[in-house]
Amino acid sequence: EAQVTQNPRYLITVTGKKLTVTCSQNMNHEYMSWYRQDPGLGLRQIYYSMNVEVTDKGDVPEGYKVSRKEKRNFPLILESPSPNQTSLYFCASSFGRGNQPQHFGDGTRLSIL
Amino acid sequence: AQSVAQPEDQVNVAEGNPLTVKCTYSVSGNPYLFWYVQYPNRGLQFLLKYITGDNLVKGSYGFEAEFNKSQTSFHLKKPSALVSDSALYFCALGRRDDKIIFGKGTRLHILP
Repeated sequence: EAQVTQNPRYLITVTGKKLTVTCSQNMNHEYMSWYRQDPGLGLRQIYYSMNVEVTDKGDVPEGYKVSRKEKRNFPLILESPSPNQTSLYFCASSFGRGNQPQHFGDGTRLSIL
Repeated sequence: AQSVAQPEDQVNVAEGNPLTVKCTYSVSGNPYLFWYVQYPNRGLQFLLKYITGDNLVKGSYGFEAEFNKSQTSFHLKKPSALVSDSALYFCALGRRDDKIIFGKGTRLHILP
């Protein structure tokens, strides 16, 4: 089954404790992206990647890191999480570039206390 | 500046009536436009896209969207609403730098 898998689905943690949210896709997609969803703000793009070893900042990259060492994986790293990063996070992937429909994971709800 | 706007936070429609969810955009050059739907506790699902060609785009679940270049709009429509269409709908714009901008979302309530 074609899918984008995020882990964990839920996480409660404390300020400053490094965390990683994993994202994996089994569709051989080139383009992968991370978003955060906040009430009243819709989805905002954090980082995206056109292919292995190619990453670019989205509109809200501050406080986040990503890597793309393999085509299928695109982890999101919060080196020193803060309460304002409490949010619902989505990973997505697509063929080609950003002008193609994206497949989304089911989301990761992060709470930073 | 390139942007996408959904002017309505919520739309209420009676079951069986036609529905419209509005989206306007601002972009230099030709736009790549998308509609997605989100059900509770799930990721977004792709409904339809406009890249080039016919202004009326047909998508999943009986939805369609009309691209209007002069009004810079890409409204989502369905001729007859179902209660199961109740969800959160997002319009999105693909930019030439491969960034993607989403609207703030419109919650659609279909009343039985």
